[in-house]
Amino acid sequence: DVKVTQSSRYLVKRTGEKVFLECVQDMDHENMFWYRQDPGLGLRLIYFSYDVKMKEKGDIPEGYSVSREKKERFSLILESASTNQTSMYLCASSFGATSSNQPQHFGDGTRLSIL
Amino acid sequence: QKEVEQNSGPLSVPEGAIASLNCTYSDRGSQSFFWYRQYSGKSPELIMFIYSNGDKEDGRFTAQLNKASQYVSLLIRDSQPSDSATYLCAVKRADSWGKLQFGAGTQVVVTP
Repeated sequence: DVKVTQSSRYLVKRTGEKVFLECVQDMDHENMFWYRQDPGLGLRLIYFSYDVKMKEKGDIPEGYSVSREKKERFSLILESASTNQTSMYLCASSFGATSSNQPQHFGDGTRLSIL
Repeated sequence: QKEVEQNSGPLSVPEGAIASLNCTYSDRGSQSFFWYRQYSGKSPELIMFIYSNGDKEDGRFTAQLNKASQYVSLLIRDSQPSDSATYLCAVKRADSWGKLQFGAGTQVVVTP
């Protein structure tokens, strides 16, 4: 089975802190994604990566950056955390390139609270 | 117009009945379609995918795709209380690097 592991289930940080969320997948997937999910707003794509050191902005990249130094690991960075970044963060991965029809597989999520 | 639209619900279904969920999408070039189930406080879990027009069955779940009308549906037969969850429809466009467009989800409540 595909395993996508997020480093923390719950995280509490303070305003202005630099926050790192880590995600690791064990299926040699090319594609990795970071979403946030808020009540009434659904899943929103923050950033995605289709290869090592490659990244593309999603729908809401402001205030975030990402790093993909190794194929299995995709990190989301909140440069200076703010209260409006309190949310559930979900990492996902999938196999293949543009032509692939493979689904995304999700980690368990990190519930991040910024105080 | 949203790319992927679903009724938010809640859809109330008696135990043992069929739950019918619908999803419409705007991009005619979309090529693959996924249904995820999400329990409250949990992450989405893939339950079905369909690529070709017609029906695809997997246990109590049936996905139906009609590309001409741009809709995909999910039927849950013999609904159980454990099926109470939010169901997300996701669509992959032909030109995307594995990116999926998600609907906002339909909440299903199965009543005993």
